[in-house]
Amino acid sequence: GQQLNQSPQSMFIQEGEDVSMNCTSSSIFNTWLWYKQDPGEGPVLLIALYKAGELTSNGRLTAQFGITRKDSFLNISASIPSDVGIYFCAGQDPSNSGYALNFGKGTSLLVTP
Amino acid sequence: DTAVSQTPKYLVTQMGNDKSIKCEQNLGHDTMYWYKQDSKKFLKIMFSYNNKELIINETVPNRFSPKSPDKAHLNLHINSLELGDSAVYFCASSQDAPTGIQYFGAGTRLSVL
Repeated sequence: GQQLNQSPQSMFIQEGEDVSMNCTSSSIFNTWLWYKQDPGEGPVLLIALYKAGELTSNGRLTAQFGITRKDSFLNISASIPSDVGIYFCAGQDPSNSGYALNFGKGTSLLVTP
Repeated sequence: DTAVSQTPKYLVTQMGNDKSIKCEQNLGHDTMYWYKQDSKKFLKIMFSYNNKELIINETVPNRFSPKSPDKAHLNLHINSLELGDSAVYFCASSQDAPTGIQYFGAGTRLSVL
């Protein structure tokens, strides 16, 4: 599968701060997804993006599908302690590999009260 | 009811043993997947099944064999376990595969001693 570059690798912030993370790919994707993984659990979908340039919000979360179709970002506004976890970007190219998701290496977020 | 359920949650075993991990989804999805998450949290596709038919087998040793008795179940059998097989294994499922939205189980942490 394609390699996705996700940054930053980790973030340590104070409650109330905004967070931004991004993902780039060497290949074009038709779908970009953002997942969150809590300790001991599986990834849970946060936002799905299907069109280049698309900007989608889910509560305090906002994500965009880059116009080149090779990148995406996720912003979290006014972070709270329960935002702690690992955030993964994932891209899907339906023309390859039977719809499997190609994941970034994750951004580990720590939020202090 | 849990949408995608895996058993067992934890599996500790000796090198050379054979073990199985079970996965069931009650979402009525057509496609199921197995992913491996290594110690650095990197998630990588192993297998994908659509309506009981294998559609992805990503460079996985043939000691790993998926079995799908029906479209709601995808079990993972591992023969002759090796130390390097220690990881967290996630099952996932999706309905309309091109949308990219996959729902993950809580994972099975496999430790090979």
